[in-house]
Amino acid sequence: GAGVSQSPSNKVTEKGKDVELRCDPISGHTALYWYRQSLGQGLEFLIYFQGNSAPDKSGLPSDRFSAERTGGSVSTLTIQRTQQEDSAVYLCASSFSGRTTDTQYFGPGTRLTVL
Amino acid sequence: AQSVTQLDSQVPVFEEAPVELRCNYSSSVSVYLFWYVQYPNQGLQLLLKYLSGSTLVESINGFEAEFNKSQTSFHLRKPSVHISDTAEYFCAVSKILTGGGNKLTFGTGTQLKVEL
Repeated sequence: GAGVSQSPSNKVTEKGKDVELRCDPISGHTALYWYRQSLGQGLEFLIYFQGNSAPDKSGLPSDRFSAERTGGSVSTLTIQRTQQEDSAVYLCASSFSGRTTDTQYFGPGTRLTVL
Repeated sequence: AQSVTQLDSQVPVFEEAPVELRCNYSSSVSVYLFWYVQYPNQGLQLLLKYLSGSTLVESINGFEAEFNKSQTSFHLRKPSVHISDTAEYFCAVSKILTGGGNKLTFGTGTQLKVEL
C-alpha cells in the first residue's frame, strides 16, 4: 500500500520567506509526527499529532514554526521568516494509534535550503 | 532525560565479514529501543525493535540486537554483511508523550560502508 508521502521533495527559499511543507500519512493512521534532520543537531522531534490535535509541540524550535493537521489526515508544517539555520531535511512519520508498540513509518522527507 | 549514544560515526567493513554497531542509552524509566536504517537517498525504515520479552530481537535481513539492561546497551550485529547493507543506521529510544504517542530520540547515526 501507499506509504507516507511528503511534498515538495526539495525546497530552496530565500532568508525571510515563509515555507509550507506537506505530509500525507498512511491512510487510517491517527498519529503523526514531524522530525528534523540536520547536520548540526541530528534527528530531532518537532511535534506530535493525535487526530487533528497536537498534544505535544515541545520540539518546535521557535514561534516561527507551526503545524496543523486537518481531517485527521494531511499535515502542514509552516516556517515563517525562514533563517539559514532552518536548513535541514524535514521528516514526517505516522503510526496506527501512537502507542509505543506501533511502528512509526517515515516519509522520504523534504530537503529545505535557506539561502 | 533520555538519550542515545552511538560512538562510531563510520564503520568500514569488508563484505561477508561480521559487524557490530554500538548503541548505548540512558533512561530512568522502562525503555523501548529501535534501530532504523536509512539507505542512500531513501527515508528511514524500521530495522528492529525491543519492547519487552526476549532481549534478543532479529530483523528479516539477518541483523540482530540484544538489549542489555546492566550495560544500558542495544548493539546491532550481523554475522556476515552484504554490499547492500551499506547505509546509515540510527539507534533510537522511545518516550511516551503527553496525550499519548511516543517520541523517538535518535543517536547521531553510524555510517556502515561495506567494501568488496
